[in-house]
Amino acid sequence: DGGITQSPKYLFRKEGQNVTLSCEQNLNHDAMYWYRQDPGQGLRLIYYSQIVNDFQKGDIAEGYSVSREKKESFPLTVTSAQKNPTAFYLCASSIASTQYYEQYFGPGTRLTVT
Amino acid sequence: GQNIDQPTEMTATEGAIVQINCTYQTSGFNGLFWYQQHAGEAPTFLSYNVLDGLEEKGRFSSFLSRSKGYSYLLLKELQMKDSASYLCAVRVLKAAGNKLTFGGGTRVLVKP
Repeated sequence: DGGITQSPKYLFRKEGQNVTLSCEQNLNHDAMYWYRQDPGQGLRLIYYSQIVNDFQKGDIAEGYSVSREKKESFPLTVTSAQKNPTAFYLCASSIASTQYYEQYFGPGTRLTVT
Repeated sequence: GQNIDQPTEMTATEGAIVQINCTYQTSGFNGLFWYQQHAGEAPTFLSYNVLDGLEEKGRFSSFLSRSKGYSYLLLKELQMKDSASYLCAVRVLKAAGNKLTFGGGTRVLVKP
C-alpha cells in the first residue's frame, strides 16, 4: 500500500542531544514537508523540499536541519540548538505542482526531550 | 506574512449542524484546504476551495469568498465520530514552491 511512514511513534531524548526523525514515502511524490504541532495548536512549517537535493526553510527552521538525498526520504534532525523541541512532528508529501494537490500526512512522531 | 483565524472550540449536539469559520490575510493566495485531525493522529484531507463558492461532499461542505478572505466548513448531521479538530490551511504560491499555512485549529466536541 502507498503511504508515508514515520518512525518511531514516540521518541525520548535528553536535553543537549541531537535526534533524527525518519520520514519515508512510496507515493512517488516530489514534494515533502515537515511540520511541528504543539498541544492545542495548528501546524507550523519547519522545512519543505520540492525536489531531490533541494529544500527551503519554513516558518520555524531555527534549530532544525534536513536532507533530501532520495526522493522517498526526508529526515529531520532536531539539534540541541532548538530551545523547545518537545512536540508532535508531522511529515507530509504531495505532488509538486501549481495546481491543486493535497498534502498527505504520516502518522507523526511525538518527541519528548527532558 | 499570513494570518489565519478560526475559533478555538465549538460544541454541538449529535445530529445538528455546525459551521466553522476561517478568515485569512495573505498574499499569493492559491487555495484553501480543510483538514480533520483526531487527537494524536495525522490530519486527513476534507476539502479544497480555490474559486468562490460552495463545494459539497457528503455531510461536509466548504465555502470560499476570496474577496472577503473568508471560508467556512459546514458539518451536517453530526455524528460522535466528528469530534475532532478542524484545521483551515491556506496555500501560498512561492517561487520555491507551494506551502501551506495552517490556522490554530477548531476543536469540535459533539455531545449526545
